[in-house]
Amino acid sequence: GESVGLHLPTLSVQEGDNSIINCAYSNSASDYFIWYKQESGKGPQFIIDIRSNMDKRQGQRVTVLLNKTVKHLSLQIAATQPGDSAVYFCAENMATSGTYKYIFGTGTRLKVLA
Amino acid sequence: GAGVSQSPSNKVTEKGKDVELRCDPISGHTALYWYRQRLGQGLEFLIYFQGNSAPDKSGLPSDRFSAERTGESVSTLTIQRTQQEDSAVYLCASSPGGRAAGNTIYFGEGSWLTVV
Repeated sequence: GESVGLHLPTLSVQEGDNSIINCAYSNSASDYFIWYKQESGKGPQFIIDIRSNMDKRQGQRVTVLLNKTVKHLSLQIAATQPGDSAVYFCAENMATSGTYKYIFGTGTRLKVLA
Repeated sequence: GAGVSQSPSNKVTEKGKDVELRCDPISGHTALYWYRQRLGQGLEFLIYFQGNSAPDKSGLPSDRFSAERTGESVSTLTIQRTQQEDSAVYLCASSPGGRAAGNTIYFGEGSWLTVV
C-alpha cells in the first residue's frame, strides 16, 4: 500500500541550529500539502500547510518550501529546540477516482542534541 | 467532541481473536481515514470514507481487515483472527471533506494494538 513501512531516516541537529527536513511527493496533480509532527506516543499534529499555487509559506519558526518541478517539499525549523524532537511527516492531497485522500511520506525523525 | 476520539487507547489480544477499534471523528467532518503505524515506521493508509461515497479500501492489507462507517459519524475498524504482525498503532483521522485544497486532516491519539 501507499507509504509502506520503512525504517525512519534520522536527522540530528544541535540545539539552536536550523533544521531542514525534506520530502519527495508522488503525484504531480496533488494540490495541497501538509507537514505533521508526531511526538512519541501521540497522534500526528498539524504544523503548516501549503497550496500548490504557492512556493513558500512561513509560520512561527517554521517555513515550508514547495518545488513542483521536482515534486519536493521541505520544512525548515529555525533555532531548533529540544521540544522539536519528533517524527515529521509530509502529506499530499491527491485526487483519485473522483475523491481526495491524503498520502503520507515515510517520515523523518528529528533529534535535537543539547 | 473537540477532537478525534479513538477507543480503546490500548488493547492486548491473543493471536486468533477478533478486535474492534472505534473512531469518533470531529463533528461535521465528512471524511474519515484509518492508518496503521508499526513501531518506528511511517503511516500506512488503510481505508478512506467520504460522505456517502463508496469507501476507498485500497490500503486494507488482507480480507481479515474491514471497516464500517455509519453516515458521517462513528467508524469501526475490525481485525479478524489477529496475527502478531497486526501489532501496531491504528490512527484515525477526519477532515471537513469535499474539495481537497485546504481541508486539513486531524488525527486521534491512536489505538495501540498488541497481539500476543
